[in-house]
Amino acid sequence: QKEVEQNSGPLSVPEGAIASLNCTYSDRGSQSFFWYRQYSGKSPELIMSIYSNGDKEDGRFTAQLNKASQYVSLLIRDSQPSDSATYLCAVNLGVWDARQLTFGSGTQLTVLP
Amino acid sequence: DAGVIQSPRHEVTEMGQEVTLRCKPISGHNSLFWYRQTMMRGLELLIYFNNNVPIDDSGMPEDRFSAKMPNASFSTLKIQPSEPRDSAVYFCASTSQGYEQYFGPGTRLTVT
Repeated sequence: QKEVEQNSGPLSVPEGAIASLNCTYSDRGSQSFFWYRQYSGKSPELIMSIYSNGDKEDGRFTAQLNKASQYVSLLIRDSQPSDSATYLCAVNLGVWDARQLTFGSGTQLTVLP
Repeated sequence: DAGVIQSPRHEVTEMGQEVTLRCKPISGHNSLFWYRQTMMRGLELLIYFNNNVPIDDSGMPEDRFSAKMPNASFSTLKIQPSEPRDSAVYFCASTSQGYEQYFGPGTRLTVT
């Protein structure tokens, strides 16, 4: 069964620490990987996209992709209370049209002041 | 630039009534997606349009649901008749040549 799996958490980290969020996916043919942040009562907000193996950094965020292990992660450095949200991993599961994404159930992150 | 626009933001209706949700994608985007989010099932793709043409509606739960995209700047999702189990947040998202989808603020639907 094709799917995207995330640890639902909750994950709690102290302010200033590194938060590590993980996601595995089932289809080796997947090509596009995204991380969305969703605050309670709000819509998902795209924060990172990654298409190639390795690391991609954007400010305090780093996305890591390992296609051989079918694993994508998001690191948040110097975590702030404002980072407290649910983080959704989204993957195109090798369907013929790469625009079609499947979302994980999300990991709830709490950054403690 | 304006983001994805959805209306209404909140809808409360009684079982059996028709509900119409509306979406205006980001100007220039040629793909539009309708999602439903619930605590139990997470974020689910209902239907996807490319250049105003429905590409995949396999996520539409049943015949009570229908979606249209009459032009590049407008889409509707209709539920007729509505049922309490349809209560959820419905999101519209759009994308252009890339694969990065941008979401609207959502419509919170409550069917009593």
